[in-house]
Amino acid sequence: RKEVEQDPGPFNVPEGATVAFNCTYSNSASQSFFWYRQDCRKEPKLLMSVYSSGNEDGRFTAQLNRASQYISLLIRDSKLSDSATYLCVVNTNAGKSTFGDGTTLTVKP
Amino acid sequence: GAVVSQHPSRVICKSGTSVKIECRSLDFQATTMFWYRQFPKQSLMLMATSNEGSKATYEQGVEKDKFLINHASLTLSTLTVTSAHPEDSSFYICSAPLDRDTEAFFGQGTRLTVV
Repeated sequence: RKEVEQDPGPFNVPEGATVAFNCTYSNSASQSFFWYRQDCRKEPKLLMSVYSSGNEDGRFTAQLNRASQYISLLIRDSKLSDSATYLCVVNTNAGKSTFGDGTTLTVKP
Repeated sequence: GAVVSQHPSRVICKSGTSVKIECRSLDFQATTMFWYRQFPKQSLMLMATSNEGSKATYEQGVEKDKFLINHASLTLSTLTVTSAHPEDSSFYICSAPLDRDTEAFFGQGTRLTVV
């Protein structure tokens, strides 16, 4: 079993749609959690950190459930520019990042 | 914010040659840096942990004699792909965390093509 598992995708949605990505992790000692965005042939860029209390940044909402070892990302009112691969990332001790395989989102006009 | 600079961004080399990739933390000190590799349509896979002043720690299946890592200063780690072969062609990316609880900052990545 992979340490970090994500929805396989791909997700193809129309502009304005709401889309949710799920992620689970197996290491209960994981320290911190993030969603990254990766555009084709580019380095990953931090989208947002994920906290147990939930956090929102504009159209993006992230949630962490430590008991279930589950992370989610909700994107509301999708834009064409949201098309990318979204990576669930879990940090263990000393900052080592373990990546999920990523979920590809395509937003269509 | 913190910045990690990686160089070169692209390199094409002949089989059998060696390629060095540099990763620098520009405005912070990084005692630890990480090197990842990403094949097309796959996720980033951790290759090794680079530790300043000591030997790197390699993940299972990664040949330490083929992928030489040097972390001689608090702001620079280098990855040398020795005797490169076409199957080493990949996207190599480094990262450095500010501390263990914060996100890692990534370099721009190096696309290596071995012909």
